[in-house]
Amino acid sequence: QITLTQPVSVAGSPGQSVTISCTKSVSVTGIKSAVSWYQQLPGKSPRLIIFDDTLRPSGVPVRFSGSMSGDTASLTIVPLKEEDEAHYFCSSFGGLTGVVFGGGTKVTVL
Amino acid sequence: QITLKETAPTFVKPPQPLTLTCTFSGFNFAERGVGVGWIRQAPGKSLEWLALIYWNNVKLYSRSLETRLTITKDTSRNRIVLTLITVGPEDSATYFCARADIDYPVISFNHFDPWGPGIHVSVSS
Repeated sequence: QITLTQPVSVAGSPGQSVTISCTKSVSVTGIKSAVSWYQQLPGKSPRLIIFDDTLRPSGVPVRFSGSMSGDTASLTIVPLKEEDEAHYFCSSFGGLTGVVFGGGTKVTVL
Repeated sequence: QITLKETAPTFVKPPQPLTLTCTFSGFNFAERGVGVGWIRQAPGKSLEWLALIYWNNVKLYSRSLETRLTITKDTSRNRIVLTLITVGPEDSATYFCARADIDYPVISFNHFDPWGPGIHVSVSS
């Protein structure tokens, strides 16, 4: 069963760039296991901001972008805005073991 | 517009079962590539995936909870029901349901979008 590892927290000033990593513990072969990213504002339900590793749903600001290199997915926010302060979770699919979420990363805007 | 809403008792006594209902609108669950999943979040914790049901009735469960979970669909009433048996205090959490996008024909989960507002359930004797 795969696990996804994220940093506990990252911080940046408004206008700067922050990047959150999400590393898969094992490579998943034989099935498609794309990474998606979710933003969770305090007291709210999660909101999809990236799917298929790099795709952005309509309505999500272009300052959010996703990338993939090997077994590590990354979410970059640039330029960072105060309203981006939230928890961010990555997710992927492990086949018959189902869906897995990372531990979440708290983004703090200084 | 796609919406989902979770309903459940807000308090449950152990070891009673917990039944959660997800009522959705704005999409056709019989459509290929559609699914609904359940996810929970204990206070201050990460998201924990529980179960997933596909349009073709394929069901997937969290390995750690699969002996306690049952997911069913009532397509005629646009509802997905999740039952968790033998609850304990560790099952206290906010429970979310979400529409799942399933890649077809590879039948791989892709992402959850959108999510319901969630419902908080407390388990205590």
